[in-house]
Amino acid sequence: QKEVEQDPGPLSVPEGAIVSLNCTYSNSAFQYFMWYRQYSRKGPELLMYTYSSGNKEDGRFTAQVDKSSKYISLFIRDSQPSDSATYLCAMSYSGNTPLVFGKGTRLSVIA
Amino acid sequence: EAGVAQSPRYKIIEKRQSVAFWCNPISGHATLYWYQQILGQGPKLLIQFQNNGVVDDSQLPKDRFSAERLKGVDSTLKIQPAKLEDSAVYLCASTQASLYEQYFGPGTRLTVT
Repeated sequence: QKEVEQDPGPLSVPEGAIVSLNCTYSNSAFQYFMWYRQYSRKGPELLMYTYSSGNKEDGRFTAQVDKSSKYISLFIRDSQPSDSATYLCAMSYSGNTPLVFGKGTRLSVIA
Repeated sequence: EAGVAQSPRYKIIEKRQSVAFWCNPISGHATLYWYQQILGQGPKLLIQFQNNGVVDDSQLPKDRFSAERLKGVDSTLKIQPAKLEDSAVYLCASTQASLYEQYFGPGTRLTVT
């Protein structure tokens, strides 16, 4: 069983749709949960960060962590064509430790 | 603030040749990581430096990969000899000590033929 599982997609949605992206993980020691966005031929950039369980909202983006189920989600409201990218979930045991990434989900938002 | 710089951006070599990648982290960032991202996969850690010391190199294939971070700033990653399965994007990331957010460079795309 891989440490972090993420459906690679691809996922194609119409502009304005609500997008739901998910990851599951096996190691209960993970404490920091992140979502990175990666455009083609670019490095990943941090989108959302959550420490332990709970929800966090930033504009059109909401990140949820359910540690009891070992399940994390990212929701994108009112999706835009500029949201078309690969979304990577990532986790770490503590600050300043290596990230363990999922495979990434490729999202296309069609105008 | 300048971001993480990497060079070259692209490299094509034949198998059994050697190659080196360079990374310049964000100024003041003590921690530096090298990740390997194979097509269709998430990045996987190769090595972590804290200043100029190695913190974690457990996933570095040491028979062919080596890395150094002299003076605790720039870092180089070398592959010698390269294999076909080394074709990937090599990402460098840096962070301030004790903080979670890693800033990634644009990566070096390596193709081994």
